[in-house]
Amino acid sequence: EPEVTQTPSHQVTQMGQEVILRCVPISNHLYFYWYRQILGQKVEFLVSFYNNEISEKSEIFDDQFSVERPDGSNFTLKIRSTKLEDSAMYFCASSIKRLAGDTSGELFFGEGSRLTVL
Amino acid sequence: SQKIEQNSEALNIQEGKTATLTCNYTNYSPAYLQWYRQDPGRGPVFLLLIRENEKEKRKERLKVTFDTTLKQSLFHITASQPADSATYLCALVGASKIIFGSGTRLSIRP
Repeated sequence: EPEVTQTPSHQVTQMGQEVILRCVPISNHLYFYWYRQILGQKVEFLVSFYNNEISEKSEIFDDQFSVERPDGSNFTLKIRSTKLEDSAMYFCASSIKRLAGDTSGELFFGEGSRLTVL
Repeated sequence: SQKIEQNSEALNIQEGKTATLTCNYTNYSPAYLQWYRQDPGRGPVFLLLIRENEKEKRKERLKVTFDTTLKQSLFHITASQPADSATYLCALVGASKIIFGSGTRLSIRP
């Protein structure tokens, strides 16, 4: 069964360092998302991406964050200068169709990348 | 801003009983509402979606209702099993994002 894959599974970094989290969405999916989950808290929306553009971003997704789809398969999240509060599990998700239209697309999530900022 | 409340942080029930989880929302009128399951340390997994003009949706032992007047969805698992133990997330569907509730941690005891 097709799945969303994420690397690394766990990354430890020093505060102020740049981090890139990588995702390979399901191959025929067109819509891509990043979410994060701080330990013990809810899954929070960061950004959605379609047709090589950001569709929507949350207040969390400030200038320190960026996303890119550098080729036809990868989807990356970059944090330029990590802070302690960026420590969380970051989930990539993809969907084959629009979330809300004649029907609703479901999200397929990866297993997450755990980021620890020291 | 949109607010989603899942009214039980944790629910503990006996195997074989029906589990009922509640999701309430404010400041939003979603056309769709979805439910996901999340196991510890794993990504959420889609279970069911229901449209605003549908009162009820079923899939095997799962049933979801959607009351747009009350701004509430109920999620039922009938004949519950220990393998159903997980956190269940209610999710409001927007045009370009899905926002999740904080989840209800369901434990089914044998």
